[in-house]
Amino acid sequence: AQTVTQSQPEMSVQEAETVTLSCTYDTSENNYYLFWYKQPPSRQMILVIRQEAYKQQNATENRFSVNFQKAAKSFSLKISDSQLGDTAMYFCAFMGTSGTYKYIFGTGTRLKVLA
Amino acid sequence: DTAVSQTPKYLVTQMGNDKSIKCEQNLGHDTMYWYKQDSKKFLKIMFSYNNKELIINETVPNRFSPKSPDKAHLNLHINSLELGDSAVYFCASSQSEVDTQYFGPGTRLTVL
Repeated sequence: AQTVTQSQPEMSVQEAETVTLSCTYDTSENNYYLFWYKQPPSRQMILVIRQEAYKQQNATENRFSVNFQKAAKSFSLKISDSQLGDTAMYFCAFMGTSGTYKYIFGTGTRLKVLA
Repeated sequence: DTAVSQTPKYLVTQMGNDKSIKCEQNLGHDTMYWYKQDSKKFLKIMFSYNNKELIINETVPNRFSPKSPDKAHLNLHINSLELGDSAVYFCASSQSEVDTQYFGPGTRLTVL
């Protein structure tokens, strides 16, 4: 069974600095998708970034970028120039492509951006 | 315009009652989902429908029954509510089973 591990329950970063959130996963599949979602205090789940495993190039979305290491089964999220609005829970998710397509979520990392 | 909406946003009820949560998406997506987020923020899928057909049914008590009247709606009915059902329930939708999922605002259910 696939598992997703986020080993940092809580992190903090100073405004304007860079922070990296880690995520590792376990799967025997070769094709799959990985996601980072953000859940601010408003509770809304917001897609941050998506990575297809067959793409070697790391996905980027403005200040957010990933370091995808397929062999190591690692999918970390880097947030550059952190802003107060980045304060949220961040969830890593895995979706395989054999059998049913369902998200497997990690336990989340609570990120606090300090002024 | 809200893409995925849920009603109600908050629901407080007594043990043993029956309640429903409604979900609607206006994105034209074919696939819809229900997730449960527990008090430790852990998110787990409960059900998934594709074109009104049930495709994922995780190990969920029979007291939970999803209903999809059409592609744009997926409702969740819960019978005989228990204290352990207290959680935030999220609806989500995606264009197809392999596409990115977009979440609703969540419904916080509190069972007293």
